[in-house]
Amino acid sequence: GAVVSQHPSWVICKSGTSVKIECRSLDFQATTMFWYRQFPKQSLMLMATSNEGSKATYEQGVEKDKFLINHASLTLSTLTVTSAHPEDSSFYICSARDSGRAYNEQFFGPGTRLTVL
Amino acid sequence: QKEVEQDPGPLSVPEGAIVSLNCTYSNSAFQYFMWYRQYSRKGPELLMYTYSSGNKEDGRFTAQVDKSSKYISLFIRDSQPSDSATYLCAMSADTGRRALTFGSGTRLQVQP
Repeated sequence: GAVVSQHPSWVICKSGTSVKIECRSLDFQATTMFWYRQFPKQSLMLMATSNEGSKATYEQGVEKDKFLINHASLTLSTLTVTSAHPEDSSFYICSARDSGRAYNEQFFGPGTRLTVL
Repeated sequence: QKEVEQDPGPLSVPEGAIVSLNCTYSNSAFQYFMWYRQYSRKGPELLMYTYSSGNKEDGRFTAQVDKSSKYISLFIRDSQPSDSATYLCAMSADTGRRALTFGSGTRLQVQP
């Protein structure tokens, strides 16, 4: 149980285009999902907290107009990188909290590798 | 100073060795402590979860939390080549937002 999927697993796009990444909790409901970014040999940096049915909360320094987050259902959150540039190339990972569990445990997706040419 | 400090390694040990991985932190509000294992180009996988201070054992893995010293450890007994990965400590305060703060990760290599 507690499986989180991400799609696509990798994507290559041209500079200036937009890319959408999906994060799904497959066997549990997640009122809260988190989006992280990880650069090579570095740790995960929290970008934003996605709450079902409400606006996402962005971390300091993360542009909300560039990284659009939508959490339309209890099992799906999407991250759209708008007008992507080469510096946006990174490994994007989502995680989800199981709403049915009492404690703070997050389950991670397999990640999406974005390369912007 | 980072909120969570973790030696990046790499740490290389022979198969069968006991491995000790550590993190220190500065935020006394942290209450939940986790260890994740991340293989290359994969998402992190939860290994151990601990609330507040104390020890927790699960198979070959033991997690220790010392809140007075702001220090957490993960011990791996009888290490195997399949344990070769990056190990990330993570922690959070007892707040509604419940986001995790990660260490930078320690790369472990177990030599057969």
